[in-house]
Amino acid sequence: QLQLQESGPGLVKPSETLSLICSVSGDSISSNTYYWAWIRQPPGKGLDWIGIIYYSGSTYYNPSLKSRVTISVDTSKNQLSLKLASVTAADTAVYYCAVITGTTFDYWGQGTLVTVSS
Amino acid sequence: QSALTQPASVSGSPGQSITISCTGSSSDVGGYNLVSWYQHHPGRAPKLMIYEVSMRPSGVSNRFSGSKSGNTASLTISGLQAEDESDYYCCSYASSSTYVFGTGTKVSVL
Repeated sequence: QLQLQESGPGLVKPSETLSLICSVSGDSISSNTYYWAWIRQPPGKGLDWIGIIYYSGSTYYNPSLKSRVTISVDTSKNQLSLKLASVTAADTAVYYCAVITGTTFDYWGQGTLVTVSS
Repeated sequence: QSALTQPASVSGSPGQSITISCTGSSSDVGGYNLVSWYQHHPGRAPKLMIYEVSMRPSGVSNRFSGSKSGNTASLTISGLQAEDESDYYCCSYASSSTYVFGTGTKVSVL
């Protein structure tokens, strides 16, 4: 069974770039069976879909974040990456990585809290 | 891309049935049979409970069921148990490989 684990800085300064890694175990991240996604949850709010990357490398992003977000895959390390530029306090959230094996997000990581503050 | 609308809270007594609604538009819920439901305990990974409107993943209790009518999807929990107390989110495919989540519903067992 796939296992996902997010990691990265818990504190990021405003205007800087948030960078997170999702380490995948249990199978190859480059398998054409999976699509990979990032989702976040601001404190006290609901889940917010950030974006997705297909095994082909194609990426699709939430229109509200599209100008600031980049999702990529490092197949040599079996890792998924998220970069979110020009962050503000509104980007403070628990960030989750997830995998689609069928038609929706089947497995999720435990999440990692990122706080944007000076 | 607006969040799908869910009631903020739903409660019921043990053994009762409750239903959570998830209202979107013809661009998401109404346009695709790709609605899923997640159970989310704070601090834990969300758990998939229903996919493709009414399908249950292996290991999920048959007390959980899903349906859809028009632009509104629903999750029903029958035989409510204390362990069902959690936050629940719907999610829908929304065209062009994008997804949208619901606003979330807190289920309380009285």
